[in-house]
Amino acid sequence: ETGVTQTPRHLVMGMTNKKSLKCEQHLGHNAMYWYKQSAKKPLELMFVYNFKEQTENNSVPSRFSPECPNSSHLFLHLHTLQPEDSALYLCASSQNRDRVDGYTFGSGTRLTVV
Amino acid sequence: ILNVEQSPQSLHVQEGDSTNFTCSFPSSNFYALHWYRWETAKSPEALFVMTLNGDEKKKGRISATLNTKEGYSYLYIKGSQPEDSATYLCALLSGSARQLTFGSGTQLTVLP
Repeated sequence: ETGVTQTPRHLVMGMTNKKSLKCEQHLGHNAMYWYKQSAKKPLELMFVYNFKEQTENNSVPSRFSPECPNSSHLFLHLHTLQPEDSALYLCASSQNRDRVDGYTFGSGTRLTVV
Repeated sequence: ILNVEQSPQSLHVQEGDSTNFTCSFPSSNFYALHWYRWETAKSPEALFVMTLNGDEKKKGRISATLNTKEGYSYLYIKGSQPEDSATYLCALLSGSARQLTFGSGTQLTVLP
């Protein structure tokens, strides 16, 4: 375990479902990130939270809705997804977004939209 | 959109061989360059964070160099072992966007 825990590890959902991905860290980090990895593509940044405030939204469709209730927890709420949203969703954390420290990643949630 | 390129895309080496791969990136607005190792079914693990032109970092048999003026970094593995098999990712932290932009990775397989 890296210190960043993601649940669930695997998720299969229909296009009309609503589900949430959860990420938790107790490393004392103040920045948390959602990344998406689709097949054969690089990791793509989706959202950044720094000290619980969203600082980046990389043109992500509104069917993905992040929530950061405190510095230790990050959620990604999913609704009316499309099959092309099937991917590995990775959460990461760092001390804060303005420092150059390496990120600590979770193991990811493998999402399949049917 | 920043373009971070890694080459080769994949390679196979024999146990005991030394190997290296390349990360290329735009040299303007450079802030930091990260290297990660990502083993199958695990989390990406930070190897190095490099900030200064000419930086060289080492961790066991793995080392990395950085040239920010020409926009490239090399990762070297000396005496590869099967447990080195993984995808090696580089990522650019640029001063303007302050976002970590990843390359597609180099998938290394070390054959026993």
